[in-house]
Amino acid sequence: DAGVIQSPRHEVTEMGQEVTLRCKPISGHDYLFWYRQTMMRGLELLIYFNNNVPIDDSGMPEDRFSAKMPNASFSTLKIQPSEPRDSAVYFCASSPETGELFFGEGSRLTVL
Amino acid sequence: GDSVTQMEGPVTLSEEAFLTINCTYTATGYPSLFWYVQYPGEGLQLLLKATKADDKGSNKGFEATYRKETTSFHLEKGSVQVSDSAVYFCALGPRAGGGNKLTFGTGTQLKVEL
Repeated sequence: DAGVIQSPRHEVTEMGQEVTLRCKPISGHDYLFWYRQTMMRGLELLIYFNNNVPIDDSGMPEDRFSAKMPNASFSTLKIQPSEPRDSAVYFCASSPETGELFFGEGSRLTVL
Repeated sequence: GDSVTQMEGPVTLSEEAFLTINCTYTATGYPSLFWYVQYPGEGLQLLLKATKADDKGSNKGFEATYRKETTSFHLEKGSVQVSDSAVYFCALGPRAGGGNKLTFGTGTQLKVEL
């Protein structure tokens, strides 16, 4: 299996623009997670899905953030409008029932 | 709620030195415990895990034992290499079927020098 695939790997945008990050989980995994990592706040869980259904979105910072999982092989995290404080590395991870998380290589977002 | 506490870094060691990174946890029930490693510019990778008390997880020379009496899961390696330089995260999660939501520690950076 190719592992968790994220795109884009790097994104530079200007404040106010819409940003869409994409994730393809490992086939057969029932859980999908979105994390954000910054030097100041470390690794934060934003939202996770089970069988394509959002289970816990309490980590989503505000209404500018939204996440969808239209099918078992694809998820998006959208920020609209983006702000400089959203600059971070965003990780997608998927997990089978046994509990181990498998992470993608991350999308590094810079908002100018 | 559940929480994980790791020793602060960075930890700087000479090659072939002994490594210990402390991790303690607070949780209800009987969680599974994990160590993840993050190399520069990469995502987190599972290093080892333990699912019940007294289990020892091991991988690539690293070991950690699930100690319920001290609520600890310290990471050890007998002889570190420069290639072990990375950030190490301790995490806890529910047993299988419990939702798979992991609680991560803040990470400990390890630097190994020649």
